[in-house]
Amino acid sequence: KQEVTQIPAALSVPEGENLVLNCSFTDSAIYNLQWFRQDPGKGLTSLLLIQSSQREQTSGRLNASLDKSSGRSTLYIAASQPGDSATYLCAVKHNAGKSTFGDGTTLTVKP
Amino acid sequence: SAVISQKPSRDICQRGTSLTIQCQVDSQVTMMFWYRQQPGQSLTLIATANQGSEATYESGFVIDKFPISRPNLTFSTLTVSNMSPEDSSIYLCSVEWADRANIQYFGAGTRLSVL
Repeated sequence: KQEVTQIPAALSVPEGENLVLNCSFTDSAIYNLQWFRQDPGKGLTSLLLIQSSQREQTSGRLNASLDKSSGRSTLYIAASQPGDSATYLCAVKHNAGKSTFGDGTTLTVKP
Repeated sequence: SAVISQKPSRDICQRGTSLTIQCQVDSQVTMMFWYRQQPGQSLTLIATANQGSEATYESGFVIDKFPISRPNLTFSTLTVSNMSPEDSSIYLCSVEWADRANIQYFGAGTRLSVL
């Protein structure tokens, strides 16, 4: 059974800092890995998706990497802003089509 | 991207009643899923909604409690039956297209409180 762990559970940084969120998974037989953000009481917004054959994806200030052999993915946020404050979730999709979600990292960016 | 409409956005219900949640997508999708997010927790997959046939439920979820319909490729419903306070959660609809790299998109969710 796939297990997905996100560290840290919560993170508070001053505006402008670069930061890294971590996601680890136990079964490397994945189809893809997707990062989401969730604002309080809201649904999930897709940020980046990395296919199993890829090593990284970039969108604006966000960069996500994938190392299947070590069971890890990182989400790098450059020059953080207060609007980046949210919970960030990673989801690992298995070859069978189902996704397993981590518990998320709650990020607070202070002005 | 996709337009995924989920209704209702929130509801407060009495114990023992049932609530049906609707998920409507603006184009035909390959896969539709229903998730539950209990307070302070991450997402748990309830079932995969299959078009024209019975949904595929995950361990711990049963059809009598969470009946699901998917009459076509753009619409699905989830019913939470005989509700108890433990059913208070956010329920989320998710869709994928096989020809769009299987990126998962979510509706805004239904926040359910059971008294």
